Amino acid sequence: KQEVTQIPAALSVPEGENLVLNCSFTDSAIYNLQWFRQDPGKGLTSLLLIQSSQREQTSGRLNASLDKSSGRSTLYIAASQPGDSATYLCAVPITGGGNKLTFGTGTQLKVEL
Amino acid sequence: DTEVTQTPKHLVMGMTNKKSLKCEQHMGHRAMYWYKQKAKKPPELMFVYSYEKLSINESVPSRFSPECPNSSLLNLHLHALQPEDSALYLCASSRGQAGTNEKLFFGSGTQLSVL
Repeated sequence: KQEVTQIPAALSVPEGENLVLNCSFTDSAIYNLQWFRQDPGKGLTSLLLIQSSQREQTSGRLNASLDKSSGRSTLYIAASQPGDSATYLCAVPITGGGNKLTFGTGTQLKVEL
Repeated sequence: DTEVTQTPKHLVMGMTNKKSLKCEQHMGHRAMYWYKQKAKKPPELMFVYSYEKLSINESVPSRFSPECPNSSLLNLHLHALQPEDSALYLCASSRGQAGTNEKLFFGSGTQLSVL
């Protein structure tokens, strides 16, 4: 059974700092890995999707990397802003399960002025 | 239009009530999903519809009954719920389940409280 873990569980940083969020998964036979953002009491917004053949994806100040062999992904946020405060979740599809996703435990990020 | 719209945003119901959650998307997506999320936990998959047919039921109790009237709409009918069913219910859609590299688009959810 795929297990997805994210560390740290919570993170508080001052504005402007560069930061890294970590995601680990136990079954490396994944098709892709997605990073989502969730604001309190709201739905999820897809940030980046990395296909298994890729090593990284970039969108604005966000950069996500994927190392399948080691079962790890990182989300790098450059020049963090208070508006980045949210919970960040990574998710991987269950092997043979199409878009049936297993979500990580999440990292709650707070960027302070 | 890249939105998934869920109504209502908030719902309070008693254990004997019958209510329905609604989800709508106009992106032409052919896969739609219901997820349940308890506070400070990751979302958990409940149901998947692919081309208007139920393809996955994650052993959800029968007091939750999904319905997909057409390719744009997804309902979740609720009956005789328990207080532990209180959670954020999220609807999502994707272009198609056949592909393995599909982004999911989520609605903003319905916050359900069962008294």
